[in-house]
Amino acid sequence: DAGVIQSPRHEVTEMGQEVTLRCKPISGHNSLFWYRQTMMRGLELLIYFNNNVPIDDSGMPEDRFSAKMPNASFSTLKIQPSEPRDSAVYFCASSPPGRGGSGEQFFGPGTRLTVL
Amino acid sequence: EDKVVQSPLSLVVHEGDTVTLNCSYEVTNFRSLLWYKQEKKAPTFLFMLTSSGIEKKSGRLSSILDKKELSSILNITATQTGDSAIYLCAAMNYGGSQGNLIFGKGTKLSVKP
Repeated sequence: DAGVIQSPRHEVTEMGQEVTLRCKPISGHNSLFWYRQTMMRGLELLIYFNNNVPIDDSGMPEDRFSAKMPNASFSTLKIQPSEPRDSAVYFCASSPPGRGGSGEQFFGPGTRLTVL
Repeated sequence: EDKVVQSPLSLVVHEGDTVTLNCSYEVTNFRSLLWYKQEKKAPTFLFMLTSSGIEKKSGRLSSILDKKELSSILNITATQTGDSAIYLCAAMNYGGSQGNLIFGKGTKLSVKP
């Protein structure tokens, strides 16, 4: 079975450029989470969706960050304009519905973003 | 502000040793505590703990939650080099319809042969 799919796996870009990260959750999962991981701050939740609707975006650092989930099988995280401090590994995770939430989130392989 | 604190930040042991990793939390509307193992790539799920005092076991790994002390421990017995990883603790609250996870910064475990 395919797990959570993220693309690209690595991205190197220059400051000021737009960056779009993509995620395909596991089929049948109805919650999707975007995380950012850095050495300094660890793993931080940016935003999560339930049934394609954003539930909590309080972790989004600033207006340069936006996320969409146009359908149950696709989500994007966009940074515009990008800055060097955005350099991090960005993980997408999904979780299945039911039973009040199992708590188990299945993580994608991550996108390593470097902004020069 | 909700927070999860893990200790130690880093640990180096020899194969065969037993280790205990600590996690404490201050989270509004606490629901459950989860442990993840992160090797080179994405975190993988280990345990979810919801009830206090009930130990969960998986092979050489075990974990228990203490809601009175707002803490959890993860034990690994007879460590192996394959246990080398970052172990992440996360507290789940009742936010939204699925809750969300507040992660600690992790404990980096290195097991030497």
